[in-house]
Amino acid sequence: DAGITQSPRHKVTETGTPVTLRCHQTENHRYMYWYRQDPGHGLRLIHYSYGVKDTDKGEVSDGYSVSRSKTEDFLLTLESATSSQTSVYFCAISERQGAYSNQPQHFGDGTRLSIL
Amino acid sequence: KNEVEQSPQNLTAQEGEFITINCSYSVGISALHWLQQHPGGGIVSLFMLSSGKKKHGRLIATINIQEKHSSLHITASHPRDSAVYICAVISTSGTYKYIFGTGTRLKVLA
Repeated sequence: DAGITQSPRHKVTETGTPVTLRCHQTENHRYMYWYRQDPGHGLRLIHYSYGVKDTDKGEVSDGYSVSRSKTEDFLLTLESATSSQTSVYFCAISERQGAYSNQPQHFGDGTRLSIL
Repeated sequence: KNEVEQSPQNLTAQEGEFITINCSYSVGISALHWLQQHPGGGIVSLFMLSSGKKKHGRLIATINIQEKHSSLHITASHPRDSAVYICAVISTSGTYKYIFGTGTRLKVLA
């Protein structure tokens, strides 16, 4: 499948600590996305990037920041983790974006984050 | 009401059965994407379709744009098909948006 690596795969941390998740791609795709997956909800978009240093908020962006300094890496940071941010986080990539581009998103294997 | 609804939410089948998972949506779309997620695993793309039907092995996906409905069929189901199946649409309204259903959890018993 698409060359997407998420790290770490699992993390347990305490409330109030900073956490950074990394997404690395080898496909040279322009668009990268961070989602969270919670029971009873579909995947929800946190932030996305449309190029190096170009990012925008998704529907659940509060408490999260992102950075993209290179095409291949997209970082998600929880500045001060809270228990409500316990979730499974997925990174996705796509070549193009736009309602009629019909480009599928390809997903990483996820990061399971527990905040105690 | 969610913009993308899947049914059933949970499904248990015996090995060999024909399985149908449904996805209905209420927004204008340019395409629909079926995805598979094994327990504790990543999310894998199965099909993207904007009209008609696609087939890959034992999996068949259909879409009816007028009725805003898609189905994913699995023929001769096998325990390795046990997974969560996720329907997502590429919405044409407003900013480009991928909207996900909450998934159908399928368990196939040997």
